[in-house]
Order: sequence, then C-alpha cells, then structure tokens
Amino acid sequence: AQSVTQLGSHVSVSEGALVLLRCNYSSSVPPYLFWYVQYPNQGLQLLLKYTSAATLVKGINGFEAEFKKSETSFHLTKPSAHMSDAAEYFCAVIKGGGGKLIFGQGTELSVKP
Amino acid sequence: GAVVSQHPSWVICKSGTSVKIECRSLDFQATTMFWYRQFPKQSLMLMATSNEGSKATYEQGVEKDKFLINHASLTLSTLTVTSAHPEDSSFYICSARDGRGNEKLFFGSGTQLSVL
Repeated sequence: AQSVTQLGSHVSVSEGALVLLRCNYSSSVPPYLFWYVQYPNQGLQLLLKYTSAATLVKGINGFEAEFKKSETSFHLTKPSAHMSDAAEYFCAVIKGGGGKLIFGQGTELSVKP
Repeated sequence: GAVVSQHPSWVICKSGTSVKIECRSLDFQATTMFWYRQFPKQSLMLMATSNEGSKATYEQGVEKDKFLINHASLTLSTLTVTSAHPEDSSFYICSARDGRGNEKLFFGSGTQLSVL
C-alpha cells in the first residue's frame, strides 16, 4: 500500500537559509507524488508534482523536489528561505488504481528574520 | 491526535439524485473547513472554504447551487452534490482547521462518489 512519511513536524530556518523538507514514500508501483502548501488562513495549494517524467521537479515560488527511487524519497528544497515561505507543507502520494491522494502528516516551516 | 471523520467513504447514486457528504471534527472545534475534489490520478482542486456560521466561499468555476456547503456547527460541515451527473463522479476530501490556536490542518479520509 502506498503511504508517505514526512520527517519532522516542525522545521525552523533563518531567512536566506536552505529549506529542506523531507518526505519518504512507500509504493509498490511507480508513484505520483505531490507537495502541497497551506499558507495561514488559506486552503491547500499545489507546489509541484512528480509523474514519472523528470526526476527533478520545479514548482512555484522557487521550490523544487527530487525523486530518488533508490532512497524512496521526494524531499522538497528551496535555496533561500523567505519570510513568506512560513506555512505548512504536505507531501502526498496517489494511492492505488483509484488514484486517491494520501497525505503525509505535514511539516510546519518557520522562517526567522 | 485530532481526527476528522468523513462519511460516507464510498457512495454510488443514480443520475439526478442528491448526495450528502459529512465532515466532522471529532475532538476539536473546526472554525474553518475546506472541501476539495480530486479527479483520478490528478491533484486536488479546492472547491470551497467554509467558516462556521457563515456562507461558504467558492472557488472560481465551482457551481454554488450544485455543490451546497453547510457549516452549521464548529464540528460539522456538509457538502451536498445536488442533481448529480456522471461528470460529478470524483473523490471528495474535506479538511478542518483546528481553531485552538495551532491552526493545524487535518484531513478526512475522503469520499468516492460514483454517479451512474
């Protein structure tokens, strides 16, 4: 069965520092993987998705994620954090033939000035 | 931990009928609930945001009269798909925000709707 695990429920970085949010998946078939962001007082937004094309996926707001099959990982990165990046981030995987999304537990990102 | 219960998990209905989906926060008060729709193997699409006691805010392109959202209490929001058609067949997910200050978002398990 497909699932995702996000390592770290809370990550804090300084403004300008590298952002790294970790996501590991388990899947018996090549997965579709997603990163979503929830800004305060808003619903979820799609940051980026992996659908078995390029392993390095670029998303909105300078974020990118690399699919590594050998590590079953899909970590989200951004070279330089902005204050506006403070939000909760969710990794998700498509489950089964029905295509249902399964979410990770979420990681809250704080950015310090 | 906080739990969001979504019911039913799976429903089949005839074209033209209405279907109600419930989303309950079991151990916290959800000041805000979100309803999403997901087509097979695609990403989520936010349909609407509902705040307890007020009208839902619908995203552009979502028909308000077709997808009725009610958020009458701090623990319950409902989505009613009225006069369902086969193109409404989809996976619907709710999420609820914990209003106790941590603002964390919790997801329901989803409802697979099939309209015949």
